[in-house]
Amino acid sequence: GENVEQHPSTLSVQEGDSAVIKCTYSDSASNYFPWYKQELGKGPQLIIDIRSNVGEKKDQRIAVTLNKTAKHFSLHITETQPEDSAVYFCAAFKGAQKLVFGQGTRLTINP
Amino acid sequence: DSGVTQTPKHLITATGQRVTLRCSPRSGDLSVYWYQQSLDQGLQFLIQYYNGEERAKGNILERFSAQQFPDLHSELNLSSLELGDSALYFCASSPEGRTPYGYTFGSGTRLTVV
Repeated sequence: GENVEQHPSTLSVQEGDSAVIKCTYSDSASNYFPWYKQELGKGPQLIIDIRSNVGEKKDQRIAVTLNKTAKHFSLHITETQPEDSAVYFCAAFKGAQKLVFGQGTRLTINP
Repeated sequence: DSGVTQTPKHLITATGQRVTLRCSPRSGDLSVYWYQQSLDQGLQFLIQYYNGEERAKGNILERFSAQQFPDLHSELNLSSLELGDSALYFCASSPEGRTPYGYTFGSGTRLTVV
């Protein structure tokens, strides 16, 4: 089955700097890669996603890149703000009716 | 508010007991997914229902069971509870059963087994 590895498990950056979280997946048939943000006491919330037919997608300060050959994808957050502090999860889907999630990255933005 | 409603928000119970967690999907969504989130385990897929029928099964213990009712709400039943079952249990819903587009999570139920 699909396996998703996520790194780093914790990340601390200064406010205004960029943050990058990376994930690798095992099944080359995976074709959809969403990213979720989970704030304390809340459920994961979709922040951006990418399908396998594109290499990059941007939404304001957030971007996701996909390298199908290397089977990895990354989340980039620029100009980080305190409200970006949260746990971020990547996931992969290949049509088996379920998303497979990475282990999560705890991002802390230091003022 | 994501539109996915989970009750109760918190549950404390003793080992050996049985509990039922409830999930109401977003209006119009036919699929319901259950996930378990332990402290250092990430989000583990348990089971999926689509329009009342079981569609996919993950790492769900035999002590756990679920169902989806005609009004599309779903219940996750956990029995013979053990300390290790303490976790956050999330429900998610999506419009259809074969793609995860529009996958939305509820706020979760925090289960504590003492």
